Amino acid sequence: GAGVSQSPSNKVTEKGKDVELRCDPISGHTALYWYRQSLGQGLEFLIYFQGNSAPDKSGLPSDRFSAERTGGSVSTLTIQRTQQEDSAVYLCASSLGGEGGGYTFGSGTRLTVV
Amino acid sequence: KQEVTQIPAALSVPEGENLVLNCSFTDSAIYNLQWFRQDPGKGLTSLLLIQSSQREQTSGRLNASLDKSSGRSTLYIAASQPGDSATYLCAVQSNAGNNRKLIWGLGTSLAVNP
Repeated sequence: GAGVSQSPSNKVTEKGKDVELRCDPISGHTALYWYRQSLGQGLEFLIYFQGNSAPDKSGLPSDRFSAERTGGSVSTLTIQRTQQEDSAVYLCASSLGGEGGGYTFGSGTRLTVV
Repeated sequence: KQEVTQIPAALSVPEGENLVLNCSFTDSAIYNLQWFRQDPGKGLTSLLLIQSSQREQTSGRLNASLDKSSGRSTLYIAASQPGDSATYLCAVQSNAGNNRKLIWGLGTSLAVNP
């Protein structure tokens, strides 16, 4: 596609429920990142996919968080048993990968856990 | 550990002023530095990408410089307009490790008053 597409744009969920956030990167971009932006805080790296390599999950805050990238394209970030501290904007970005490639971000999913 | 700092945290100027936003980083081992704009409730828009081998990039009224040895970048906005009001984020892409993640500053919140 022309840009990075994320869905849903907004999600309100009850504490304890599972949620899935979707990211459709730019076609041909081999690198895909998930970041989280909490209120009043900087962006926080969550997970990185590059081609067919094993993902770098070093930024995931707990084992309730997981992500997949199917067929090297669409990615899904899953949060199980959501907590109020999971409320944030979840941003997905893709790039061509390699050295020095710039990022293109989606518009994000605003998650509110009540 | 790479840390990115942006100064000032907030800036309010009258329309038409030229202004400078500052970004500093602690580790000069970077692939690139990228300036983004974030409007309230929206995702990130890439403004300028400076590769580690470059000194500056220009786009319209925006000019970004990079001094890798001193760990500094500036974003210069000429003839500011109310439509420039947004949060400006600086991010460096580290070449340490394999995940090429972005390390972010907390941003400068800019208000341009008509």
